[in-house]
Order: sequence, then C-alpha cells, then structure tokens
Amino acid sequence: GENVEQHPSTLSVQEGDSAVIKCTYSDSASNYFPWYKQELGKGPQLIIDIRSNVGEKKDQRIAVTLNKTAKHFSLHITETQPEDSAVYFCAASRGNQFYFGTGTSLTVIP
Amino acid sequence: GAVVSQHPSRVICKSGTSVKIECRSLDFQATTMFWYRQFPKQSLMLMATSNEGSKATYEQGVEKDKFLINHASLTLSTLTVTSAHPEDSSFYICSAVGSGGTDTQYFGPGTRLTVL
Repeated sequence: GENVEQHPSTLSVQEGDSAVIKCTYSDSASNYFPWYKQELGKGPQLIIDIRSNVGEKKDQRIAVTLNKTAKHFSLHITETQPEDSAVYFCAASRGNQFYFGTGTSLTVIP
Repeated sequence: GAVVSQHPSRVICKSGTSVKIECRSLDFQATTMFWYRQFPKQSLMLMATSNEGSKATYEQGVEKDKFLINHASLTLSTLTVTSAHPEDSSFYICSAVGSGGTDTQYFGPGTRLTVL
C-alpha cells in the first residue's frame, strides 16, 4: 500500500518568512495530492491540490510542487502571517484511496 | 461550494449509551463519505468508507458492530457509536467526495465525543 511521510513535524517561522513542508510517497500510481489546513478543534480544510500531470500550482501565497520521479511534493507558504498557524496535512491518493501524512504543526511568530 | 456539516459539534454522554453523529453534504451530492477518528496531535485515522445505498467498508481493527454507519442518501451519512465507553472519546470527522467524478475530499468540522 501507499506510505506517506511528512516533514518536519513542527515548524516555527517569523512572520513574513516562508515555510516549506515536504512529503514523500511510495506508490507511483498515486495521482492526486491535496494539502489540508487544520485549525485547533476544527476539521481539515483543503487549501491547495495538485494532480500528477502538473508540476507546480500556485494560489496567492500558497504553492505546491510535485516531483513524480522522486515521488515527493511540497507545500510552500510565502509571506507567512500569524493566521497561517495551524496543522498542515499532505495526502496522496488514487481514486478514493487517500493516505495522509502525519501532519506539520506550523507556528508563525509575530 | 463543497460544504460538509456535522452535527452535533460536541457531545458528552454516559458510558453505555449510544451516540449518533450526522454528516451532511450541503451543496453537492456525495456518492462516497468517509469517517475518520483523530486523537490529539495525531493524523487522521480512517475508520470506514461508505457509499450511498450500500454497506460501509470498515478498516482493519474497526468494529463494525460498535461503529454503525449508514449512508441512506446522497447527502447524509450517520455514524452511531454504540454502547460508548471512555476509550471511544475522540474527535470524529467525516468527509465527502462529490458525484461529479472528482476525487477531492471535503471535510466536516468534526464532532468531539466525550464519554464519561
């Protein structure tokens, strides 16, 4: 089956700096890679996703890159703000089979 | 668009009672819904996958007689925790996948269950 690893588990950055979270996956058949943001006591919210036929996708301050050959994908947040503080989960999926990473707790220090 | 609701948001019950949690897709039809359990500071643990009109598929180690799942319509799935015990206390989250061919999962806000 699929195995998704996510690093780092915790990340602290100064407000305005960039944050990068990385995930690797094992199943080359995985073709959809969403990123979710989860605030304390709430459900995960989809913030950006990428499919295997695309190498990069950007939405304002958030971007995701995918390297299919190396089987890794990354979330990039630029100009971080305190409200970006949350737990971020990556996932790799094929059809309805989703495999989540272990999460990264991001703290943006004002 | 793609809003998923859960009710209740939090519930406290006595040991031995049953609790029902509802998951609704508000603005789309969901052929497939998922139920997850999340412990503090941990990732999402898939409990079961439910397809409208058919029996749920449970993950290994999840007791289907304890966690009853019903997906009676394209917008509603329910999870019933039967004979709840303190160890069932957790954060339960549902998600839904639309019927339009997309595979994107949209999550509900979660339900905090506390069993006394």
